[in-house]
Amino acid sequence: EPEVTQTPSHQVTQMGQEVILRCVPISNHLYFYWYRQILGQKVEFLVSFYNNEISEKSEIFDDQFSVERPDGSNFTLKIRSTKLEDSAMYFCASRDPRGEETQYFGPGTRLLVL
Amino acid sequence: GESVGLHLPTLSVQEGDNSIINCAYSNSASDYFIWYKQESGKGPQFIIDIRSNMDKRQGQRVTVLLNKTVKHLSLQIAATQPGDSAVYFCAEKTGGGNKLTFGTGTQLKVEL
Repeated sequence: EPEVTQTPSHQVTQMGQEVILRCVPISNHLYFYWYRQILGQKVEFLVSFYNNEISEKSEIFDDQFSVERPDGSNFTLKIRSTKLEDSAMYFCASRDPRGEETQYFGPGTRLLVL
Repeated sequence: GESVGLHLPTLSVQEGDNSIINCAYSNSASDYFIWYKQESGKGPQFIIDIRSNMDKRQGQRVTVLLNKTVKHLSLQIAATQPGDSAVYFCAEKTGGGNKLTFGTGTQLKVEL
């Protein structure tokens, strides 16, 4: 069964450093998403991406964040200068837009900013 | 400052019993709803979804009920098994938007 994959599973970084979180969505999907979940809290929407551009973003997704689809298979989230409060699980999701609304989530990357 | 996590409501059931997990959603304009299961350290796993033009949908051992009048969603799990132990989230999608808005979650504990 096809699934969303994410790398790395864990990332530890120093405050102020840049991180890139990587995702490989399900191959025939065309909508891509990033969500985050701070420990013990709800899953929160960050951004959605379709047709090589951002289609929607939340207030959390400020200028420190960017997304990219550098090739036909990867979808990345970059945090330019990490802050302590960026520590969270980051989930990638993808959706097949052909009549389906279901978003399928990856296993997540646990980011710890020290 | 200290970060305080949400206190998750917990539902404890005996193995083999039926479970009902409830969710109140916020936006009357939401047109799509979905239930996810999340095990510790893993990503949300799709269980079942329903569009707003329906009030019930059944899957394998799971049923979702939608009551738009009171903005309430429920997930019923038949013959609950130990492997069903997890946190269950409902999420809603509003109109033409892309994002899912997640609820707080309910911890389901299955006792042997």
